Amino acid sequence: KAGVTQTPRYLIKTRGQQVTLSCSPISGHRSVSWYQQTPGQGLQFLFEYFSETQRNKGNFPGRFSGRQFSNSRSEMNVSTLELGDSALYLCASKVGQGDVDTQYFGPGTRLTVL
Amino acid sequence: AQKVTQAQTEISVVEKEDVTLDCVYETRDTTYYLFWYKQPPSGELVFLIRRNSFDEQNEISGRYSWNFQKSTSSFNFTITASQVVDSAVYFCALSDYRVDDMRFGAGTRLTVKP
Repeated sequence: KAGVTQTPRYLIKTRGQQVTLSCSPISGHRSVSWYQQTPGQGLQFLFEYFSETQRNKGNFPGRFSGRQFSNSRSEMNVSTLELGDSALYLCASKVGQGDVDTQYFGPGTRLTVL
Repeated sequence: AQKVTQAQTEISVVEKEDVTLDCVYETRDTTYYLFWYKQPPSGELVFLIRRNSFDEQNEISGRYSWNFQKSTSSFNFTITASQVVDSAVYFCALSDYRVDDMRFGAGTRLTVKP
């Protein structure tokens, strides 16, 4: 099975711009979660989508949003970029239901905001 | 609130040494899951192990072993006969039964020198 894929792998943007990141989950996985990783704050949960619905959300401003499509692919959008948004954005997928579940991560998108 | 503490920021060992990575967690949930992930320089988080709160059996997988002790809220990870390829940042994580909003520790950077 192919793993979680994320595109693009690297992005450079300037302050004030917006950006969209994409994540394709492992085949058969219906849940996608997004995390932000920075040297100062570590790994922080952004949100989770299951069957095109946001099920859980972390403590991030409304500039961070996401969506999920019917094929379980997910996109994350950050509007009005700030310097502090520079980070590695990781996407993780899991089956999404049932008792035993594990999140599997993609390689991440490294976003640099200048 | 859930919290994971990895007190060791960096560890350096020489190849073939054994090394233990510590993880202490806090949670009020009775059902929860603990995880270890490895993050090599490429950035992708690689899943190593999942443990639920009702299973305190230690586990061994090749050179890796995990010691889960609810009495001390610890889930420690030992690498036996370390190898250079083990060099990475290792994260301990905690989630409730939903396994979506995972709380990660700050990570331990392990360097194995030849």
